[in-house]
Amino acid sequence: AQSVSQHNHHVILSEAASLELGCNYSYGGTVNLFWYVQYPGQHLQLLLKYFSGDPLVKGIKGFEAEFIKSKFSFNLRKPSVQWSDTAEYFCAVSPNFGNEKLTFGTGTRLTIIP
Amino acid sequence: SAVISQKPSRDICQRGTSLTIQCQVDSQVTMMFWYRQQPGQSLTLIATANQGSEATYESGFVIDKFPISRPNLTFSTLTVSNMSPEDSSIYLCSNTGTGGTDTQYFGPGTRLTVL
Repeated sequence: AQSVSQHNHHVILSEAASLELGCNYSYGGTVNLFWYVQYPGQHLQLLLKYFSGDPLVKGIKGFEAEFIKSKFSFNLRKPSVQWSDTAEYFCAVSPNFGNEKLTFGTGTRLTIIP
Repeated sequence: SAVISQKPSRDICQRGTSLTIQCQVDSQVTMMFWYRQQPGQSLTLIATANQGSEATYESGFVIDKFPISRPNLTFSTLTVSNMSPEDSSIYLCSNTGTGGTDTQYFGPGTRLTVL
């Protein structure tokens, strides 16, 4: 069975700072990787995803993530954060054989200080 | 992605009662799922709602406690039976969209509080 680790539970940054949120997964086969975001009072939204091809994927709102297979990692990055990025961020993985079962990490709460 | 709505959006229930949560999608979707998000924790998959057949439950979840129906490709229900305070959670349904992709899209969730 797959598992996902997000080591940063709560991150506090000032506006314009650079962001990197860690995500590591454990699974013996090929995976699909996702980052979801949950803004305060809103439902879970897809930020970006990786299925195959270029390991650097770009998502909405200036976010990107890099899949490093050798490290089983899929870290989320943004060069300059905004106050509106304050949210909970979840990394998730599913096996890449049409299983569609998502396993989520515990989430990282990001607080941006104006 | 298909638009998902859930009813009720929130509820406060007494111990020992049951609550049925509805999930409606605005177009036919292949796969539908039910998740639970307990306070301060991440999302955990409860089951896959299969159209026209019994749901497929994950380890730790059983049909007697969480009966699921999926009568067609746009609708599913999850019942939380014989509730206890430990069932207080946000319950979310998701689907893989009209194209049956590997990406899941989530509904707004139902916030359940059990007293």
